[in-house]
Amino acid sequence: DSGVTQTPKHLITATGQRVTLRCSPRSGDLSVYWYQQSLDQGLQFLIHYYNGEERAKGNILERFSAQQFPDLHSELNLSSLELGDSALYFCASSVGVLRDEKLFFGSGTQLSVL
Amino acid sequence: GENVEQHPSTLSVQEGDSAVIKCTYSDSASNYFPWYKQELGKRPQLIIDIRSNVGEKKDQRIAVTLNKTAKHFSLHITETQPEDSAVYFCAASIGFQKLVFGTGTRLLVSP
Repeated sequence: DSGVTQTPKHLITATGQRVTLRCSPRSGDLSVYWYQQSLDQGLQFLIHYYNGEERAKGNILERFSAQQFPDLHSELNLSSLELGDSALYFCASSVGVLRDEKLFFGSGTQLSVL
Repeated sequence: GENVEQHPSTLSVQEGDSAVIKCTYSDSASNYFPWYKQELGKRPQLIIDIRSNVGEKKDQRIAVTLNKTAKHFSLHITETQPEDSAVYFCAASIGFQKLVFGTGTRLLVSP
């Protein structure tokens, strides 16, 4: 167990809908990262938050947004869902930024858009 | 650029053989290079990492080498076992703010 908690584990929804994925980082970790992994694909970086502030963005669609709350948990909001958004979404956390810190992944949320 | 290229995409070896996976990165400022192992349906797990001030690091049967001049780093697994079968990802840090991953190598170790 990495200590990073993601909920829900599975999510099935329809096109056009909106969903929220939740992540609780390891105790003491200030950074949260979101990644998308499509079937047989690599890990695509979406966004990084550090202590409540957005630090870096990757190839995140405008339909997607995220935030990190004062208790350091993070939520990834996906709206106007399309079939192609079906993927495994991972959250990862680290103590600080990537100068010296290791990244630990949660178990992921499997999103299926039907 | 922020690319990390990884080769090969698939690698089949016999149990006991060695396996080598290679990655190249494009950002000369990258200074942290971890390797992750992902079993089917599970989360990526860190197996070894190396920082830019180190050329080589070893942990039991796995080792990583880094050539900063060539922007190249490699994962070496010796005495492979069937339980080593998984997808392996290399990654490189970009500006301390994000980790960019390679496309993955599917390693199959046959008994």
